[in-house]
Amino acid sequence: KQEVTQIPAALSVPEGENLVLNCSFTDSAIYNLQWFRQDPGKGLTSLLLIQSSQREQTSGRLNASLDKSSGRSTLYIAASQPGDSATYLCAVPDSSNTGKLIFGQGTTLQVKP
Amino acid sequence: NAGVMQNPRHLVRRRGQEARLRCSPMKGHSHVYWYRQLPEEGLKFMVYLQKENIIDESGMPKERFSAEFPKEGPSILRIQQVVRGDSAAYFCASSPGQSGNTEAFFGQGTRLTVV
Repeated sequence: KQEVTQIPAALSVPEGENLVLNCSFTDSAIYNLQWFRQDPGKGLTSLLLIQSSQREQTSGRLNASLDKSSGRSTLYIAASQPGDSATYLCAVPDSSNTGKLIFGQGTTLQVKP
Repeated sequence: NAGVMQNPRHLVRRRGQEARLRCSPMKGHSHVYWYRQLPEEGLKFMVYLQKENIIDESGMPKERFSAEFPKEGPSILRIQQVVRGDSAAYFCASSPGQSGNTEAFFGQGTRLTVV
């Protein structure tokens, strides 16, 4: 059974720092991995989708890497800003191949001005 | 192309009442997934539907919860005789295909509060 774990659960950094969020999964047979952002009381915004054949994806100050063999993904945020404060979730499709996602518990990030 | 639309955004129900949550998928998407996010917990899969069919309801409680996705109109998640423990954010996602390799797009969620 696929399980997704995110470390740390919470992170507080001063503005301008580069930071790394971690996501690990137990079953390496995944099609892709997706990173989402969730603001308090809001929905999920997709940030990056990494296909299993890719090792990384970049969007602006965000860079996500994927190492299937070790069951890990990292989300790197460069030059963090207060507007980056949110909860970051990673998710992988479960092995049933029906498209349903297994989510980690999330990392709640606070970037202080 | 409008995104996934959920309504209402906020819903308050008294214990014992019924809650109906609606989800209109993105245009061209025929696959709908419902997830629940309990306070201080992650998102958990509830049910996966295609038009007029429930494909996987393995995450949905056996009692009081039901879901449908009719040929016409939005998908509906129905909770009968709500209890305080049903208070949560309910999210809907849609995708154009079933494969685990397709990207899912999420709505803004419905926040249900049972008083």
